[in-house]
Amino acid sequence: DQQVKQNSPSLSVQEGRISILNCDYTNSMFDYFLWYKKYPAEGPTFLISISSIKDKNEDGRFTVFLNKSAKHLSLHIVPSQPGDSAVYFCAASRSSGTYKYIFGTGTRLKVLA
Amino acid sequence: ETGVTQTPRHLVMGMTNKKSLKCEQHLGHNAMYWYKQSAKKPLELMFVYSLEERVENNSVPSRFSPECPNSSHLFLHLHTLQPEDSALYLCASSQGQGAWEETQYFGPGTRLLVL
Repeated sequence: DQQVKQNSPSLSVQEGRISILNCDYTNSMFDYFLWYKKYPAEGPTFLISISSIKDKNEDGRFTVFLNKSAKHLSLHIVPSQPGDSAVYFCAASRSSGTYKYIFGTGTRLKVLA
Repeated sequence: ETGVTQTPRHLVMGMTNKKSLKCEQHLGHNAMYWYKQSAKKPLELMFVYSLEERVENNSVPSRFSPECPNSSHLFLHLHTLQPEDSALYLCASSQGQGAWEETQYFGPGTRLLVL
C-alpha cells in the first residue's frame, strides 16, 4: 500500500505560468515533507521541505503548501522555466522514524518554451 | 570530486555473476543509504548505515549484501540476481546525527540490467 501518492505522472505547463505538483499521503504520523527534483542521468536533488508545524514554506520561485487535514501537499513553481523540466518526487517522514523517507512515484514536469 | 559519486554508472550482468556497486561521499556525512528505483515505482529504501553500522535493513533479499568500511564509502555486493532486480540503484548520504529532518543527498545512480 503506497503511503505517499503522486497521482499525476506528468504535467505540461507553458513557460512563465504556474506549475502545481500535488502529493497525497495516508499516514497521519508523517510530520516532515520534502520535494526532490531529478534530471535524467542524475540523482534526485533536494528542493524544499516543510514540517507539519507550518502550512507554507517559500524559497524563491518554489513554494510548498501543506494541508494536514486533507493529508495533501503541493509544490508551486512561479514562474515556470524550461530548466524546471524534470521529475519531481515528494517524500514524507516521521519525527519518530529516524532516517526513513517514503517517496512518491514522481511527476514529470515539462515546461514548454 | 564533490557530493556523492557512484560507480559504475551502468552495469549489465548475468544471473550467475558477482558484481559490486560503489558509492563515495565527499560531504563529511555519517549516514549512507542504498535505494532501489524500479520503473514506475517509488524509491525503496534498502539499507541505512550510520557511523559504519547498519541501522536499517528493509527486508532486502540476501543476494544484496551491503558493506560500509568507513563513513565515506558504501558498497552493494550483488550475486545471483534475478531479472526483476534490474533497476536504478541510488546511494545517498546525510549528516547522520539522527535528526529526522536531515536532508539526504543523492548520487547519480547505477543503472543495472540483469539478463
